[in-house]
Amino acid sequence: KAGVTQTPRYLIKTRGQQVTLSCSPISGHRSVSWYQQTPGQGLQFLFEYFSETQRNKGNFPGRFSGRQFSNSRSEMNVSTLELGDSALYLCASSSGTEAYNEQFFGPGTRLTVL
Amino acid sequence: GQNIDQPTEMTATEGAIVQINCTYQTSGFNGLFWYQQHAGEAPTFLSYNVLDGLEEKGRFSSFLSRSKGYSYLLLKELQMKDSASYLCAVISNDYKLSFGAGTTVTVRA
Repeated sequence: KAGVTQTPRYLIKTRGQQVTLSCSPISGHRSVSWYQQTPGQGLQFLFEYFSETQRNKGNFPGRFSGRQFSNSRSEMNVSTLELGDSALYLCASSSGTEAYNEQFFGPGTRLTVL
Repeated sequence: GQNIDQPTEMTATEGAIVQINCTYQTSGFNGLFWYQQHAGEAPTFLSYNVLDGLEEKGRFSSFLSRSKGYSYLLLKELQMKDSASYLCAVISNDYKLSFGAGTTVTVRA
C-alpha cells in the first residue's frame, strides 16, 4: 500500500506571496490532518479534513486555509507569506472513523520564506 | 488549551536504557501516542496507550497513568539508530492530536 505523499518537497517563496501544498493520503483513508513543525514550537496542529469537510481547526490565522477533494486528496494554502511561516509542513492521514486514530505522516514540504 | 511537557534532550550510551517522561493537561483524553522522528524525516508511530499500564513492544515500552496525566517511553538496549526525536501526543475530547515539543535522544558509543 503506498504511503502518504506530499508535493512539492521543497519550496522557496518571498514575503507576501502565497503557496499551495498538496497531500495524497493512503488509499482508503478519509481523514487528512496538517501540521506545522518548527524547531522552536514543535508540531502544531493546523486543521483536519474528513470527507471534504473541515472537522477540526488549530489556532492559526485565517491566512492558513485548506480543502479536501472527493478522492480525499487535500491542499493547504498560505496567503501573504511571512518570514515566520518558514517551516516543515506535514500532512498525516488516517481512517478518521475510530477513536484510535493512528496517523501516518507524509515526508513533509519544507517551505522557506525569504 | 493543551499542555504537554517532555524533556528537551537526553543522552545515553549504547546498550543502556533511557526513559522519556511526558506529562499532559488536556481537555479530555482519548489516548496517547509516542512517535519517533529521525532528523529530516516524518514521524513514525511507536505506541498507543488508552488504558493505564505498561505496553511492551520489543525494545520499546510505553506506560500510562491517566489519573496522574503521565506517560513514559522506555527504550532498552539502546542502539545508535535510536538517536532521534521522540514525540508524545495526546488525543483530546474533540479528537484533535496535540504534540509535545519532542525529546531529542542522542546515543553515544
